[in-house]
Formats: sequence, structure tokens, C-alpha cells
Amino acid sequence: GQQLNQSPQSMFIQEGEDVSMNCTSSSIFNTWLWYKQDPGEGPVLLIALYKAGELTSNGRLTAQFGITRKDSFLNISASIPSDVGIYFCAGRSGANNLFFGTGTRLTVIP
Amino acid sequence: EAQVTQNPRYLITVTGKKLTVTCSQNMNHEYMSWYRQDPGLGLRQIYYSMNVEVTDKGDVPEGYKVSRKEKRNFPLILESPSPNQTSLYFCASSFGTGTGLYGYTFGSGTRLTVV
Repeated sequence: GQQLNQSPQSMFIQEGEDVSMNCTSSSIFNTWLWYKQDPGEGPVLLIALYKAGELTSNGRLTAQFGITRKDSFLNISASIPSDVGIYFCAGRSGANNLFFGTGTRLTVIP
Repeated sequence: EAQVTQNPRYLITVTGKKLTVTCSQNMNHEYMSWYRQDPGLGLRQIYYSMNVEVTDKGDVPEGYKVSRKEKRNFPLILESPSPNQTSLYFCASSFGTGTGLYGYTFGSGTRLTVV
């Protein structure tokens, strides 16, 4: 399957700080998605990106589809305790399935 | 409420004893998929289904079977479970369009332990 490298693997930040994480691929994708997984639950879609260079926001979250189509980043501004969880990137490359990154575990310290 | 329902949430079984994890969605989605989640490996696709009676292997299909006899249901079958299939399993569904998939809706997960 496709290899999606997500970094960092884990982050510990103070409440109120901004967060940045990214995802890179060895292959070109035509869709990038970002999901969040709360403890004990399934992942929930945060943001979807469909075009190279696209920058999309959802509240305090901003994500971009890289120009090379091989990367994407997710920023969270002014983090709050409920931002805690595992964030996954996912990419689609033309086949009808998604490939997921290994996840970034975010801990927010009050 | 639109949702993907998996059962059971937790299951402990013994090696070799056949089991089925059920998955049902009420959104009339064409596309359904099974993933397993393991520490450090993220989510890996086991099988997927584009529509009724259409299934295909994902990245890690060995030791698993699926069926799609009805649009809403997509059960995952482990004919002879082994300890390396101990994992957290997720079912997901989505509308499939002519240009491919968008976001999935995931179930809440099934934590399987094979001893």
C-alpha cells in the first residue's frame, strides 16, 4: 500500500499554543483528508482538500494541500484541552480507497 | 441519526474459533470498508466494497473474509483467528461518486483480543 509519513508522532503543548503537523507521501494524491480520533471512538473527518494548493479552514483548524500533491499540513490555533486526540492524515490517489498516515498524538496541558 | 454501527465493541476469543464482527450503516452509502488500527501503524485497510456483491482486498486481507449481500451491512469474518489479529477494528462507509471517495463515516470500533 501507499506510505504516508506523518510527523511528529506525538506532541505535548500548553493550552493556548498553536500546533502544526504534516503528512508526506512518496506518491501523488488527488485528495487529502484530516481526521481526529478521540479516545475510544472512531476517527471523525475534520477537513477535506481536493485541489493542489488549496487552503481550507474549519474553525481553529487550517489545512493545506501541497503544491507537489505529495504533502499536506494541518494547523490548530489556540489549542484547548478538547483538542487532545490522535490526528490522522489520509490520501486518495485515484483508486477507490484511502490510505492513512500513522497518526500524531496530541496532548494539551492545561 | 446517521451512523455506522459495529458489534460487538469488545471481544475476547480463543485461537481458531470463528467469529463475525457486524457492521451496519443507515446512510445508504455505496462504499464500505474495514480497517485495523495497531500502535505505530495507523489504520490499514483490510477489505472494501464498492457496492452490493462487489468486494476487494485492501492492504492486509490475509486471515479475513467479508461479504456484501445487502447495501447496509458489511460483516467481517475471521474463520480461524490467531493472536496476530488482536487489534482495534473499524468499519467505515461513504458515498461513492464517479470521481471517487470523499470522507468516511467511521463506526466506534471493535477491540478484539485473540488468546
